Formats: sequence, structure tokens, C-alpha cells
Amino acid sequence: AQKITQTQPGMFVQEKEAVTLDCTYDTSDPSYGLFWYKQPSSGEMIFLIYQGSYDQQNATEGRYSLNFQKARKSANLVISASQLGDSAMYFCAMREAGSARQLTFGSGTQLTVLP
Amino acid sequence: GAVVSQHPSRVICKSGTSVKIECRSLDFQATTMFWYRQFPKQSLMLMATSNEGSKATYEQGVEKDKFLINHASLTLSTLTVTSAHPEDSSFYICSARHGTDNTEAFFGQGTRLTVV
Repeated sequence: AQKITQTQPGMFVQEKEAVTLDCTYDTSDPSYGLFWYKQPSSGEMIFLIYQGSYDQQNATEGRYSLNFQKARKSANLVISASQLGDSAMYFCAMREAGSARQLTFGSGTQLTVLP
Repeated sequence: GAVVSQHPSRVICKSGTSVKIECRSLDFQATTMFWYRQFPKQSLMLMATSNEGSKATYEQGVEKDKFLINHASLTLSTLTVTSAHPEDSSFYICSARHGTDNTEAFFGQGTRLTVV
């Protein structure tokens, strides 16, 4: 079974609007971490935001916020006030405490910000 | 934040030759580094976990004799693609982590390998 599912292969958003990128996960480990990365066309992986399974509040980093719904096992990324430079591939990832500590990635969402 | 440097960023090689890719942690010691492979428009697939001073742990289906990993120091891991073939053409990217579990993995810039 897929551990990380991103159901939106591609998304479009108008500049200055907000956009939500979906991510659901599957784990039986009570301790885990959820990550979002941005990958522009250059290929580098840019860390955006982290949410721990025991964190009580949703993580926020500038224009990025993570809508963490633990019971639904979802960790959606919200980007507010989209900018043209936000156009990129976005990956959701999970690290389970009981694993070998590597990240498991979703299939990604290609976000295009329209002027 | 911590920086991971990967070199080279692009390489073209002939079939049958070997290519070495370096992954360095510049301002921290990384006991564990990870090597991923990414095909166009696809996700990152873990190839192996590189542990300083010990043998790498390879994921199922990854040929350890073809993808040689050496983690000789706390700041350097290398991936050597031996006897490269066109089907090895891909984007290879490394990551390194330090600290506790809630620190993000820092990624190198990636290496785009083309085998001709």
C-alpha cells in the first residue's frame, strides 16, 4: 500500500490566490514526521515545512502552513498569496520513527502559478 | 541552515564507463546519508542508506555491485555507477541528516546523469 498519497498530479492557481495541495499518509507507527518539499525545474529539493505526529498545533512557515488532520491522516500544504516563483513540483514525505529513518515520498504535485 | 553539496551537477558518459558522484555535508557531520534516484516527472526513490564506517544498506531491487556507495568520513559519501548503460540515465540526489528525528533531511543539488 502507498504510504504517502498525493492525488493531484497538477494544480493551477492564480497569482496572489491561496492553494491547497493534498497529502494523505498511512502508518501504524504512533511517532512520525511529515514534510513538504519544493522541487523547482533545477532539481534541488527545498525543505518547506515539518509537522510532528505529536505536535498539537498546525505548523506554519511564512506563506506555508500545514493543515494536519491526524484522524483523517492528512497533511495538506496551504500556500497563501501565491507567487510566480512558487511554480514547481511539491512533494509530501513521511518519516516513521520505527523505520531506518529515511523519508518516503509521495508522487508529487506540479503547481503552476498563473499571472 | 545546513548545507549539502553534491558534485557534479551534470555528467555525460559513454556506455561501459563508471561515474562517481560526491555528496558532502559542509557544516555538519552526517553519520547517515541517503541516495535517491528520480526519473522524469516521478518521485524520489530511495536507492540506499549510507552509513559512515560501515556497508551501505540497499533497497530491494538495487544492484549493490552496480551502484557502489562509500561513506568513508562523516562529511562525504560517494555513489559510483559502474559500467553505466543508457538505462542508468537519471537524476541522482543525496540527502544527509543530523540531529534528532524532527530535523529535515538536507538535500544536495542533484546530479543529472546521461549515458550515451
